Amino acid sequence: NAGVTQTPKFQVLKTGQSMTLQCAQDMNHNSMYWYRQDPGMGLRLIYYSASEGTTDKGEVPNGYNVSRLNKREFSLRLESAAPSQTSVYFCASGTVSNEQFFGPGTRLTVL
Amino acid sequence: AQSVTQLDSQVPVFEEAPVELRCNYSSSVSVYLFWYVQYPNQGLQLLLKYLSGSTLVESINGFEAEFNKSQTSFHLRKPSVHISDTAEYFCAVSVSGGSYIPTFGRGTSLIVHP
Repeated sequence: NAGVTQTPKFQVLKTGQSMTLQCAQDMNHNSMYWYRQDPGMGLRLIYYSASEGTTDKGEVPNGYNVSRLNKREFSLRLESAAPSQTSVYFCASGTVSNEQFFGPGTRLTVL
Repeated sequence: AQSVTQLDSQVPVFEEAPVELRCNYSSSVSVYLFWYVQYPNQGLQLLLKYLSGSTLVESINGFEAEFNKSQTSFHLRKPSVHISDTAEYFCAVSVSGGSYIPTFGRGTSLIVHP
């Protein structure tokens, strides 16, 4: 089992460019999440999906959109990247007790 | 809504010394509690969890945490740390039978010196 996979691992964008971060899990979990991690801020939830076909905003959704493509895949899209979106992005999937399994992260720099 | 407070942002300690990383939570209902570890340039991985039953839970690499309902705490301890334990540690809480969103603390950086 690969667990949770994320692509790409690194990305550099210019302000205004768009991109999609991909995430997939092979653990048959219903719940999936997107977080961003910034120094001193801990993890902040961007969006989550409690089950296939549903998505909800988290703490910091502005500037992002998500798609729960199927039970395995949950993508995060930046339509017009801004320097404030420079961060490390983590995808996770979760059990019914909310035990989370994290991907390796995407390091995004917006110039 | 629940919240989590990790009382120390950074804990420096010498190798082979004991360590305690503190975590307090607030919730008016039953909770599940977790500790995650993040090594440099990696994602978070589960270290240990309390779901029910014994209030003392242990990890395979010598860490333990005790659920104290009266103190609303879930402190992480290890009697003798190694250099390889240097990492960021996150405490998290979720409501049993409740929402799908766990709440994470801001993390404690454990720095083990030789």
